[in-house]
Amino acid sequence: SQQGEEDPQALSIQEGENATMNCSYKTSINNLQWYRQNSGRGLVHLILIRSNEREKHSGRLRVTLDTSKKSSSLLITASRAADTASYFCATAPGGYNKLIFGAGTRLAVHP
Amino acid sequence: NAGVTQTPKFQVLKTGQSMTLQCAQDMNHEYMSWYRQDPGMGLRLIHYSVGAGITDQGEVPNGYNVSRSTTEDFPLRLLSAAPSQTSVYFCASSYSFGTGHSPLHFGNGTRLTVT
Repeated sequence: SQQGEEDPQALSIQEGENATMNCSYKTSINNLQWYRQNSGRGLVHLILIRSNEREKHSGRLRVTLDTSKKSSSLLITASRAADTASYFCATAPGGYNKLIFGAGTRLAVHP
Repeated sequence: NAGVTQTPKFQVLKTGQSMTLQCAQDMNHEYMSWYRQDPGMGLRLIHYSVGAGITDQGEVPNGYNVSRSTTEDFPLRLLSAAPSQTSVYFCASSYSFGTGHSPLHFGNGTRLTVT
């Protein structure tokens, strides 16, 4: 079974709105990463949050991590059509050399 | 600096054929890995390598072989292709993944169809 599970599976919003995606995981982690995948392309790393951090920002991205609930959220503020993509969370359970991905959230931002 | 390069971009195989998917990186990354992506299932780790001469299995290794003779290259071999191996395959590398703090850099994928 997958370590990370994103919610919702799909999200459709208008330009300018905020988009929030959630990720839950099962075992202890050293860090949690978020990636974006545009259609037909490889994944691109967005942000990494360590287990001792609660919140991290990068431009219009805000990531939170709650290790007690084993969950993380990715907020994209003021969404643009170019943010249309799939977003994945990923963790390396137990700190080993295996990065495990969730099934992803498909975000559609309409002009 | 090309990053992670995968070849070919597309491939069609018949059941039972073998082939090698190529992956090369020019970033001097120690860690390399292979994933497959199927609709609705995210990415699943096939094999990975923490350095030249060292490989290990991921979540779904059956039917695939890898080797790592150089830092730059990490080919994935399908021994006897099956329709269940129809998928998009991604190669990824990282400077020092074992520390847990180095992100993965992905290639653009190889789309494989097995008929």
